[in-house]
Amino acid sequence: DADVTQTPRNRITKTGKRIMLECSQTKGHDRMYWYRQDPGLGLRLIYYSFDVKDINKGEISDGYSVSRQAQAKFSLSLESAIPNQTALYFCATSDPQGALETQYFGPGTRLLVL
Amino acid sequence: DAKTTQPTSMDCAEGRAANLPCNHSTISGNEYVYWYRQIHSQGPQYIIHGLKNNETNEMASLIITEDRKSSTLILPHATLRDTAVYYCIVLFAGGTSYGKLTFGQGTILTVHP
Repeated sequence: DADVTQTPRNRITKTGKRIMLECSQTKGHDRMYWYRQDPGLGLRLIYYSFDVKDINKGEISDGYSVSRQAQAKFSLSLESAIPNQTALYFCATSDPQGALETQYFGPGTRLLVL
Repeated sequence: DAKTTQPTSMDCAEGRAANLPCNHSTISGNEYVYWYRQIHSQGPQYIIHGLKNNETNEMASLIITEDRKSSTLILPHATLRDTAVYYCIVLFAGGTSYGKLTFGQGTILTVHP
């Protein structure tokens, strides 16, 4: 079984709808991240969490919110989806005992906002 | 974080070693070299990282020049499944890059039968 899972894998939604992307991990890592990837723009960090009580904004947090329900679960919500939020979304984890930049990624959620 | 330069694309025959170069001439003494790869539409995958010494793990070897201005990722026996975009990243582990990965354009490695 995969260490980092994301659901759904694909999602089509309409402008103005609220949607949630979920991430679960079995690696036992405290640190979790949400990124989006757009063609030609590489990865951009949306939010990150270093433990259940610690949530931090990344470089592009506007229009997004997160919830860290447990050590193993980190959800990303789009409060009111807009077309420019169409992207590939990745969740990642890292080990507090290791280098922060050694991150383990999920398979991604492909989101299309119409 | 130091800027990196990688070739846009490279080819390699299956079973041969793939040597992917990366230039990072402005690297500072406390910056690490990290390598990730991304197979089409999959999540990025950590490969290896190093500071000064050469490193080897089950996936690859990382050779860093003595002046640390360049490095080479070596996949010793490339397979078709190694076809991916390979990203070389130089950053200070901690500080302003705290947990934030920034990928450039990377090198598209194509492994041929």
